Amino acid sequence: GENVEQHPSTLSVQEGDSAVIKCTYSDSASNYFPWYKQELGKGPQLIIDIRSNVGEKKDQRIAVTLNKTAKHFSLHITETQPEDSAVYFCAASKGTYKYIFGTGTRLKVLA
Amino acid sequence: DTGVSQDPRHKITKRGQNVTFRCDPISEHNRLYWYRQTLGQGPEFLTYFQNEAQLEKSRLLSDRFSAERPKGSFSTLEIQRTEQGDSAMYLCASSFRGTHSGNTIYFGEGSWLTVV
Repeated sequence: GENVEQHPSTLSVQEGDSAVIKCTYSDSASNYFPWYKQELGKGPQLIIDIRSNVGEKKDQRIAVTLNKTAKHFSLHITETQPEDSAVYFCAASKGTYKYIFGTGTRLKVLA
Repeated sequence: DTGVSQDPRHKITKRGQNVTFRCDPISEHNRLYWYRQTLGQGPEFLTYFQNEAQLEKSRLLSDRFSAERPKGSFSTLEIQRTEQGDSAMYLCASSFRGTHSGNTIYFGEGSWLTVV
């Protein structure tokens, strides 16, 4: 079945530095890749997404890149702030309702 | 608040008891989903409704689980004869299926279940 691998599982950065989280998917038919941020005790919140016809998308301090050939996609957060501390999940979908999620990355931004 | 609403947020139950969770999707969203999330893992798909029709159920959804969306609005997820392995956060999500085939789903805050 389809699988999404996510790395690293934990990431600590100094405030103001950049953070990069990487995901690899197995199903080449996947065409939609959302990223969610989950704070303790809360549900996942969509922060950015990218479709397979686009290589890069940016929203203020957050950007996502997609390499369809390598089946990789990455989340980039620049100028990190303490409130960016959370668990981040990538997901892949074949344009349907069924998302396959990665195992999450716990990001800590050290003040 | 116009987000996905779930109730209760927390439930502690004894093994063997039945529990029911309710989800109110974002207004006018015609698709509703249930996912399950255990500690340290990403959400896993359980089932999906388009309007009142349940169109797919995951193999994770054993026969002790039943979900309904009777009028195409709110949904309930019932777990019968709960087991300790059912302890997890049950996430509801919704989306709108329109002419542009948008498939972005929006999650609620989740319902935590602890079976003791």
